[in-house]
Amino acid sequence: QKEVEQNSGPLSVPEGAIASLNCTYSDRGSQSFFWYRQYSGKSPELIMFIYSNGDKEDGRFTAQLNKASQYVSLLIRDSQPSDSATYLCAVRGYSGGNKLVFGAGTILRVKS
Amino acid sequence: AAGVIQSPRHLIKEKRETATLKCYPIPRHDTVYWYQQGPGQDPQFLISFYEKMQSDKGSIPDRFSAQQFSDYHSELNMSSLELGDSALYFCASSFMDRGYEQYFGPGTRLTVT
Repeated sequence: QKEVEQNSGPLSVPEGAIASLNCTYSDRGSQSFFWYRQYSGKSPELIMFIYSNGDKEDGRFTAQLNKASQYVSLLIRDSQPSDSATYLCAVRGYSGGNKLVFGAGTILRVKS
Repeated sequence: AAGVIQSPRHLIKEKRETATLKCYPIPRHDTVYWYQQGPGQDPQFLISFYEKMQSDKGSIPDRFSAQQFSDYHSELNMSSLELGDSALYFCASSFMDRGYEQYFGPGTRLTVT
């Protein structure tokens, strides 16, 4: 079992809809949580980070963290075709220094 | 805003050759990380440096070595290359006192033939 689990998708949503991406992690001591967007052949781009339980909003993106359930999610409002990419959930663990452990990523497709 | 710079962007090597990848972090960032991403896989952590000292080590083969220099740039040296080393190699940087957010460079695509 991977330390960070994501549904590989693809997740298909119509343009203008809300896309909901989910991630679970196994290290209960994990400290920091990140969402990266990666287009094919390109580098991961940091879009959100969250350190405390609850919601964090930035523009069309909302990250949600529930440490008790070891669950982190990303909501994308008003989804656009340009949001079509792979979304990587990454976790910085308690015992693993500052390295990031990534999930396998969820492919998001926004249909116009 | 300045980003992480990596060179070269593409590299083709033959088996058993050596390769050196370079990374220039975002100005004022003091920590550098190296990740390897194989086709269809998620990035895997290799090694990191904070203030020129190795800070963490992941699944880096013994054939690979890395260091961070006084100007904070880092180099990943890869020897006795194997076909399985073909991958995207990303460097990321962060500023420790400002949190743990890591910003990735554009990557070096290494092809071993």
